[in-house]
Amino acid sequence: QKEVEQDPGPLSVPEGAIVSLNCTYSNSAFQYFMWYRQYSRKGPELLMYTYSSGNKEDGRFTAQVDKSSKYISLFIRDSQPSDSATYLCAMSAAGGYSTLTFGKGTMLLVSP
Amino acid sequence: DGGITQSPKYLFRKEGQNVTLSCEQNLNHDAMYWYRQDPGQGLRLIYYSQIVNDFQKGDIAEGYSVSREKKESFPLTVTSAQKNPTAFYLCASSIGRDSLSEQFFGPGTRLTVL
Repeated sequence: QKEVEQDPGPLSVPEGAIVSLNCTYSNSAFQYFMWYRQYSRKGPELLMYTYSSGNKEDGRFTAQVDKSSKYISLFIRDSQPSDSATYLCAMSAAGGYSTLTFGKGTMLLVSP
Repeated sequence: DGGITQSPKYLFRKEGQNVTLSCEQNLNHDAMYWYRQDPGQGLRLIYYSQIVNDFQKGDIAEGYSVSREKKESFPLTVTSAQKNPTAFYLCASSIGRDSLSEQFFGPGTRLTVL
């Protein structure tokens, strides 16, 4: 079993839809959870950063972490064509230095 | 403007040649990283450096080498020992050495072996 599982998609939705992107993980030591957005042929940019369980909201984006289920989600409200990109989840353990483990990414396509 | 630059954007290499990818940051970050991204594979860590003159192997270091002589620079050499070097290479940096630090990414270098 891979440490981080993420459906590669593509996920196609119409403009204005609510999008749900998800990752599951197996390492119970993971404490920090991130979502990156990557446009085609560009470097990833950080969207959301959460610690441990709970929700975090930033504009149209909400990140949710359920450590008991080892499951994280990113919700995008009122999706726009400009949201079309690949979304990568990433996570790391706590306690000193720890490298990031990335999911494979989910490609999202928002049609006008 | 502060940020991370990578050069070149596209690089073509003949089999058996070594090539060096450049990564420079002016964010005054301590830590720097190299990742490789293949289609449908996500990002895999090649090497990382937490401080000048020190670096550690990541998950897929074989066939690669790095140096960290200056805080701003972390070049990656893809050697002829790397069996399948065609990929998208991403450099990143973070302000600190711990997992609390956000990683900022450069625009990437696409390497193609002919």
